Amino acid sequence: EVQLLESGGGLQQPGGSLRLSCAASGFTFSSYAMSWVRQAPGKGLEWVSGITGSGDTTCYADSVKGRFTISRDNSKNTLYLQMNSLRAEDTAVYYCAKDRYGAPRGGFDIWGQGTMVTVSS
Amino acid sequence: QSALTQPPSASGSPGQSVTISCTGTSSDVGGYNYVSWYQQHSGKAPKLMIYEVTKRPSGVPDRFSGSRSGNTASLTVSGLQAEDEADYYCSSYAGSNNLVFGGGTKLTVL
Repeated sequence: EVQLLESGGGLQQPGGSLRLSCAASGFTFSSYAMSWVRQAPGKGLEWVSGITGSGDTTCYADSVKGRFTISRDNSKNTLYLQMNSLRAEDTAVYYCAKDRYGAPRGGFDIWGQGTMVTVSS
Repeated sequence: QSALTQPPSASGSPGQSVTISCTGTSSDVGGYNYVSWYQQHSGKAPKLMIYEVTKRPSGVPDRFSGSRSGNTASLTVSGLQAEDEADYYCSSYAGSNNLVFGGGTKLTVL
């Protein structure tokens, strides 16, 4: 079964750090780009970051550039998002999503269930 | 990276057709054939409904169709059914491996 399972969310203080993980199964992980997409409570979807299948190219939304780092371990079929200097506005459900292509193009055909990140003192 | 523009709401009666628009620029919607549409029911993860402007993934009913004219993409839902009531989001590739979503449209089946 094709599946994505996120973990690592939780409550963190402003300025703190969290590392999200997304374990993939059921498909050839290294062949596909992956992205993180977030959704603040009651708000719409926001693309956060993407990485090519090989992991050699990454990209970020302006809102997280310089604070978040996306990476992947193709030997472990796992995607990561290192989130530093967290702000209240980073509070959201974070989804990992599989792209249909080897580079980020937005055809997200598989989504995880999401993990909640809350930034509050 | 400005968000794509969608109407906040749309509605129709069962059996009718509804079209949701998604307006961007020549740097995203109008510039690449990578426009996608997602359906999201309350409390659930999004589901891909349309990719590459007009293509439907396996399992998506043919009542859902996508199109584009210039910098505006559209999702049409024909033969509305109660289960189509959900939030719908468009997304587009914006070059340099960047992506952008629309603000979302809440579709109500009357």
